[in-house]
This record gives sequence, structure tokens and C-alpha cells, in this order.
Amino acid sequence: AQTVTQSQPEMSVQEAETVTLSCTYDTSESNYYLFWYKQPPSRQMILVIRQEAYKQQNATENRFSVNFQKAAKSFSLKISDSQLGDTAMYFCAFCNSGGYQKVTFGTGTKLQVIP
Amino acid sequence: DVKVTQSSRYLVKRTGEKVFLECVQDMDHENMFWYRQDPGLGLRLIYFSYDVKMKEKGDIPEGYSVSREKKERFSLILESASTNQTSMYLCASSPQTRSSYNEQFFGPGTRLTVL
Repeated sequence: AQTVTQSQPEMSVQEAETVTLSCTYDTSESNYYLFWYKQPPSRQMILVIRQEAYKQQNATENRFSVNFQKAAKSFSLKISDSQLGDTAMYFCAFCNSGGYQKVTFGTGTKLQVIP
Repeated sequence: DVKVTQSSRYLVKRTGEKVFLECVQDMDHENMFWYRQDPGLGLRLIYFSYDVKMKEKGDIPEGYSVSREKKERFSLILESASTNQTSMYLCASSPQTRSSYNEQFFGPGTRLTVL
């Protein structure tokens, strides 16, 4: 079974600074997908960024980028120029490429952006 | 925009009651999911469905059942609610494609309290 580990339950960052959220996973599959989801306080969860395991290039979405280290099974999220609206729970997630897209989520990291 | 709605934002029930949580999506997605979210445990999959009248057990199906009579609607049923089922319940949907994985779209959640 796949597992996803987020070792930082809570983090804080000053507005406009950069922060990195860590995620490790365990799988015996060679092809899969990795995600970061964001859940703002009292709001719906949304996808932040997605990485396909067979792509070596790290995904980026505006201020959000990932550091994908396949051999180390590591998938960290970097948020640059942090904004108050980045305050949220962040979940790392894993999905096999086959099957019915069953997703395994980590336990989450609560990020607070401080003005 | 994809929209996933859940029947209640907050719900309070008594131990032993039968509880229905409903989820509706308006984007003709094949896949639908029910998760429960608890602090420190992240999201855990209860059940999912990849087609009408089809269902698959997730990681924690005990004490729950589901129903999918129409493509757009996926119901979670607590046959006899217990206090340990007090939690946030999240519904999600995603399209089913062969070529690549698609993101899951989440509803706002139902915070269920069982007294």
C-alpha cells in the first residue's frame, strides 16, 4: 500500500518570503502522479500543482513549484513571495497511474502567512 | 466551473440515528468519492464510485454505506451513527480518462457531530 508522509504539522512564514513544505511517499510503482492540494480556512479544497512521475522536469504554477526527487521519493512544495491568501492546510497526495484514480493523502501541513 | 455541492454544511445527530449525506456534481464526472477528514489524520477514503450503481470500498468503510443511483449524485449513509463518526466529511468528483489523471474537485464539506 502507498503511504504519504508530511512531517511538518504546522509552519509559518513572513509575507513575501519563501517557504518549503516537505512530503515523502512510499510506493513500488514506477509510474504515478503526485499532487499538492490547498484547503483555505472554511473553504473548499483545490488543486495547487500536479507532477507526473515519468516527467523529470519539476512542475511550476506561478509562485508554486515542486522539487520532485523520484529516487528519494520526495516531493516538496515551494511557495515564493508568500501572500496572506496562502494561509491554508496543504495536503500532499499520491495516485497510481492505473485503476480508478484512488488517491492517498498525507496528514497535512498548516501554513500560516504572517503579515 | 465545476461545482460539487453537499447537502448540509453542519449536521448534529444522536447516537443510533440513520444519517444521510448527499453530494451532487454538475460536470458529468464518472468518479465520485467520500472522505472523512480528522485533525492529524488527513483525508481518509471511505468509499468511491466509478459509475452509476458501482461502488468500491476505500480504506475505512466500516460503519458506512453508499448509494449511487444517478451519475451526478453520491450518497453516504451512516446506518447507526456513533460518536466516533463525528468528523468532517468531504465529497469529491473527477472525470475518468485513459490518458492521464485528472484532479479531484471537492465539495465544501459537512461537519457532522454525533451526540
